[in-house]
Amino acid sequence: NAGVTQTPKFQVLKTGQSMTLQCAQDMNHEYMSWYRQDPGMGLRLIHYSVGAGITDQGEVPNGYNVSRSTTEDFPLRLLSAAPSQTSVYFCASGLSSLYGYTFGSGTRLTVV
Amino acid sequence: KQEVTQIPAALSVPEGENLVLNCSFTDSAIYNLQWFRQDPGKGLTSLLLIQSSQREQTSGRLNASLDKSSGRSTLYIAASQPGDSATYLCAVSTQGGSEKLVFGKGTKLTVNP
Repeated sequence: NAGVTQTPKFQVLKTGQSMTLQCAQDMNHEYMSWYRQDPGMGLRLIHYSVGAGITDQGEVPNGYNVSRSTTEDFPLRLLSAAPSQTSVYFCASGLSSLYGYTFGSGTRLTVV
Repeated sequence: KQEVTQIPAALSVPEGENLVLNCSFTDSAIYNLQWFRQDPGKGLTSLLLIQSSQREQTSGRLNASLDKSSGRSTLYIAASQPGDSATYLCAVSTQGGSEKLVFGKGTKLTVNP
């Protein structure tokens, strides 16, 4: 049981490049979310999903796209990377509020 | 808008001391509250989950309480050890599936040998 798996662990992008951060879970969780963590700002919600085919915006969605074609995968796409998107990105999943949320180990992204 | 505050931002204690970390939230309409631990450069590890209908949860040397009406939670760590050194985060769930968590900025704990 791998839990929540994020790839890559580290990435350096040039301004304007696009990329996809991968997130996969093997726990059959309906709920999945993406957060970014910045010094002094805490973790902030980017996008979330309540099931396959259903996504919605969080607090800081601009510059990011998501889709959820399967229960297991929830990729985060950066359309045109900007230095302001330099951050640590965490994916998380959960079954219901009764069981809390499980986080991946994160992707550290630097945009130069 | 829900806001979560953690006080203090940093705490340094000698080994063996009992300590309390505080978390407050502005909107009492929560589904649950979760305490996490984060080691430097690592992900978040869930420590305790308290449902909105519960008053406290315990796991080993950790005890978390919840007073929803006053918008407060505390994490009590008994007999602290150097291995407890980490940043502790609290988060409240504003949706039934916990898919929307609002986090505090954390308390950085250092336990000195």
